[in-house]
Amino acid sequence: GAVVSQHPSWVICKSGTSVKIECRSLDFQATTMFWYRQFPKKSLMLMATSNEGSKATYEQGVEKDKFLINHASLTLSTLTVTSAHPEDSSFYICSAGVGRRFYSNQPQHFGDGTRLSIL
Amino acid sequence: AQKITQTQPGMFVQEKEAVTLDCTYDTSDPSYGLFWYKQPSSGEMIFLIYQGSYDQQNATEGRYSLNFQKARKSANLVISASQLGDSAMYFCAMREGGNDMRFGAGTRLTVKP
Repeated sequence: GAVVSQHPSWVICKSGTSVKIECRSLDFQATTMFWYRQFPKKSLMLMATSNEGSKATYEQGVEKDKFLINHASLTLSTLTVTSAHPEDSSFYICSAGVGRRFYSNQPQHFGDGTRLSIL
Repeated sequence: AQKITQTQPGMFVQEKEAVTLDCTYDTSDPSYGLFWYKQPSSGEMIFLIYQGSYDQQNATEGRYSLNFQKARKSANLVISASQLGDSAMYFCAMREGGNDMRFGAGTRLTVKP
């Protein structure tokens, strides 16, 4: 149980293109989902917290207009990288927890990530 | 301020030997959870083991055990009988109360045949 599906796995596109990444909880409802960015050989950096039915909460330094997050249902959150440039190339990974409220003992379940390459 | 510290960028271990990956943390919240994840080169994050701040005993999951020393704020991961497939990045993470999960810098483990 607790499967998170992330799509697509790989994206290669030209500079200036907008790219949408989907994150779905397949067998549970996720009121909250998290979007992380990971540079090669680095740790996961939290970009934003996606809340169903409300605006996402962005971490300091993350451009809201560049990284649009929509969490329209209890099983789907999307991250759109708008007008992507080579510096946006990275590994993006989403995660979700089971239930409406996170408790400290709940592990987050991760999607398999999306490798984004902007040419 | 960095809340999760992993001081070992890379570790090597001989196959079938045990290895300890270090993790220290900082929090003033009495309720928190500590987690270890494995990330192979393919990128997915695999949950390994969890330790709660109120747990009296160290967590164990198969070949994984967590050496939890609350007073020292450390939560080291011990992998026994290392296998070649254990070669990966390992991340220590913490969740305080109902907040999001934060990760350490990671340790790259290489198991030598």
